[in-house]
Amino acid sequence: EAGVVQSPRYKIIEKKQPVAFWCNPISGHNTLYWYRQNLGQGPELLIRYENEEAVDDSQLPKDRFSAERLKGVDSTLKIQPAELGDSAVYLCASSFSPNSETQYFGPGTRLLVL
Amino acid sequence: GQSLEQPSEVTAVEGAIVQINCTYQTSGFYGLSWYQQHDGGAPTFLSYNALDGLEETGRFSSFLSRSDSYGYLLLQELQMKDSASYFCAVRVGYSGAGSYQLTFGKGTKLSVIP
Repeated sequence: EAGVVQSPRYKIIEKKQPVAFWCNPISGHNTLYWYRQNLGQGPELLIRYENEEAVDDSQLPKDRFSAERLKGVDSTLKIQPAELGDSAVYLCASSFSPNSETQYFGPGTRLLVL
Repeated sequence: GQSLEQPSEVTAVEGAIVQINCTYQTSGFYGLSWYQQHDGGAPTFLSYNALDGLEETGRFSSFLSRSDSYGYLLLQELQMKDSASYFCAVRVGYSGAGSYQLTFGKGTKLSVIP
């Protein structure tokens, strides 16, 4: 069974440019998470989806970040415009349900903003 | 909010036993999870403790004391491939919401030496 797929794996952009990350969760997983991981830190939740509904986006910087999960499967996280401080690894994870004890993470997108 | 404390770095010899401690402060606590992350890789679920006591999975064991807000991950018969970062994460729940959130610690970088 395929795991969580993310693309691109690496992205280098200049500040003020837009950037988008894509995630395809494990088939059948209704819950999808986006995390940001800064160097030397643990993942921090940005947003959680139940099917196509964003049920927890309290940590998402809404002035520049947006996300969508059309049809309740794939998801896209966008930053516009990017700032230097956005350099981090953006991780997508999925779980079968919001009550699941286990989250399955993708390999992440490593973003560098110059 | 939540806070978690774990050592930043641990070094151990191949074949030995190492214990990684985690203390936490949080409300709405449901359980403690452990994840492993190799450099450049995805966090991978190792264990989950909801109740006090020891859970064993092969060479890895995890312990929880809810009264002490403390847990640890025990790795036995260390192998070189165990060199990675290990994150404890508290699972907190929201009353009536039927859903949970993971908050990760900063991670412990384990180096296994020959």
